[in-house]
Amino acid sequence: GENVEQHPSTLSVQEGDSAVIKCTYSDSASNYFPWYKQELGKRPQLIIDIRSNVGEKKDQRIAVTLNKTAKHFSLHITETQPEDSAVYFCAALSTGGTSYGKLTFGQGTILTVHP
Amino acid sequence: DAMVIQNPRYQVTQFGKPVTLSCSQTLNHNVMYWYQQKSSQAPKLLFHYYDKDFNNEADTPDNFQSRRPNTSFCFLDIRSPGLGDAAMYLCATRGQGNSPLHFGNGTRLTVT
Repeated sequence: GENVEQHPSTLSVQEGDSAVIKCTYSDSASNYFPWYKQELGKRPQLIIDIRSNVGEKKDQRIAVTLNKTAKHFSLHITETQPEDSAVYFCAALSTGGTSYGKLTFGQGTILTVHP
Repeated sequence: DAMVIQNPRYQVTQFGKPVTLSCSQTLNHNVMYWYQQKSSQAPKLLFHYYDKDFNNEADTPDNFQSRRPNTSFCFLDIRSPGLGDAAMYLCATRGQGNSPLHFGNGTRLTVT
């Protein structure tokens, strides 16, 4: 089955700096990669996603890159703000065999943005 | 407007007393998921349905069962809750193709 590794587990930055979170996946049949932001006690919220036919996607201060050959994808947040502080999860959607339709999450990154 | 609705938001049950968590959706999505999330951890998939096709994760305990009587509703039954089953339970849905999951607000289960 799919295995998603996420690094770092914690990330502390100053307001205005950039933050980068990296993930690797194992299943070459995975073809959809969302990123979720989760605040304490709340549900995960989709912030950006990328499909395997695209190498990069950007939405205002957030961007995601995907390297299918290397099986890794990254989240980039520029001009960070204190309200960006949360736990971020990467995920990969499997399309192969018995794992079809299964979304596997990375371990999560606790991002803290200091004012 | 809420599209994936979980009830209740908070559930307290006694050790060993069966409990059922419910999820409904207005999106007409054919895929529904149940995830368990413990504090400071990633959501862990318990089951998912592709229409009526049920997929059970290999490491989901037998104590956990699920029912999906129709497209809109899905239930998680915990037959004999233990203290280790205290967690947030998240329901999610997904439409066709490579589309995002839509999560409900979750049910936080406490076992006393």
